[in-house]
Amino acid sequence: ETGVTQSPTHLIKTRGQQVTLRCSSQSGHNTVSWYQQALGQGPQFIFQYYREEENGRGNFPPRFSGLQFPNYSSELNVNALELDDSALYLCASSSGPEDDTQYFGPGTRLTVL
Amino acid sequence: EDQVTQSPEALRLQEGESSSLNCSYTVSGLRGLFWYRQDPGKGPEFLFTLYSAGEEKEKERLKATLTKKESFLHITAPKPEDSATYLCAVQARTGNQFYFGTGTSLTVIP
Repeated sequence: ETGVTQSPTHLIKTRGQQVTLRCSSQSGHNTVSWYQQALGQGPQFIFQYYREEENGRGNFPPRFSGLQFPNYSSELNVNALELDDSALYLCASSSGPEDDTQYFGPGTRLTVL
Repeated sequence: EDQVTQSPEALRLQEGESSSLNCSYTVSGLRGLFWYRQDPGKGPEFLFTLYSAGEEKEKERLKATLTKKESFLHITAPKPEDSATYLCAVQARTGNQFYFGTGTSLTVIP
């Protein structure tokens, strides 16, 4: 059984650019959630995908979007990057939308200059 | 509004000095309360899930308890390797969202 993986590990972008972050879910998990964690804060829920459809969204603007693919991998896309988007982006997979146990990946550290 | 508050923000303990971390919450119908451990620059690592008041779970030197308004993570005779940030999260019965606290940064000094 493989764990949750994310790529890239680190990324530096400039304001206004677009970025795509990738996540590979744990084997057998069909649900993925994305979180933003600013320095010194707890993770903030961005959205959840279940069977390739968005299944819940937190308080983030539409420039944050996602995709989930049939092989359980997923993407987080952020358009028009702002300085405040600098954070650790985490994905977490679970075996279903109501499964209480989420397994987190190591995260992608995004820096916006 | 669903929210989670953790205290203290930071805690320094001598090796072997037991203590407790607090997580107070307000949620419209609790589905579950979760404890995670997070090492610097890494993703959170799942520790426990608690579902109902009075429930307790243990793992090595850690014990989590739950009441109707708060949860405690008790650390017995901690070791330096227990140093990390401990995060608490709640999930409501409606919706799929997890609400995290800001965490308690624990440092255990040899």
